[in-house]
Amino acid sequence: AQSVTQLGSHVSVSEGALVLLRCNYSSSVPPYLFWYVQYPNQGLQLLLKYTSAATLVKGINGFEAEFKKSETSFHLTKPSAHMSDAAEYFCAVTVSGGYNKLIFGAGTRLAVHP
Amino acid sequence: DTEVTQTPKHLVMGMTNKKSLKCEQHMGHRAMYWYKQKAKKPPELMFVYSYEKLSINESVPSRFSPECPNSSLLNLHLHALQPEDSALYLCASSPSAATSSYEQYFGPGTRLTVT
Repeated sequence: AQSVTQLGSHVSVSEGALVLLRCNYSSSVPPYLFWYVQYPNQGLQLLLKYTSAATLVKGINGFEAEFKKSETSFHLTKPSAHMSDAAEYFCAVTVSGGYNKLIFGAGTRLAVHP
Repeated sequence: DTEVTQTPKHLVMGMTNKKSLKCEQHMGHRAMYWYKQKAKKPPELMFVYSYEKLSINESVPSRFSPECPNSSLLNLHLHALQPEDSALYLCASSPSAATSSYEQYFGPGTRLTVT
């Protein structure tokens, strides 16, 4: 069965610093992986997705993620944090053959301070 | 138009009330989803509709009744809810439920409070 684990429920960075949010997956088949962002009192917005076309995936708002099969990881990074990046971030995997069912990680709350 | 809309934005209801949540998309997507999200938790799948047919029911209590009148609309009928049902209810859509690589597009959610 597919699953994802997000390491660190809270991450705090300074404005302009590197953002690194960790996600490890478990899957017996090649996974499809997603990163979503949720701002307070809003729905989820797709940042980027991995569908096996390229291991380094670029997304919106300057975020990118690298798929590493050997480490079963799909960590999200951004070179320079902005105050507006403060939000909840969810890593997710779809269940193969399961009506595109998304399995979410527990989430990581990113705080950005001046 | 890549927008999923949900109404109402907020809803307060008593335990004996009947209310409905509405979701709409005009992207031509043929799969639609309902999720429940409690505070500080990830969304949890409730229902999946594929081509207007209920494909997944994640053992949701019968006080939640989904309906898909057409390919653009998804409703969630609520009856005799409990205070623990208070949560953010999110609707999502994707081009198809048959392909796991499609992303889901989420609406802004309905914040439900059961008193």
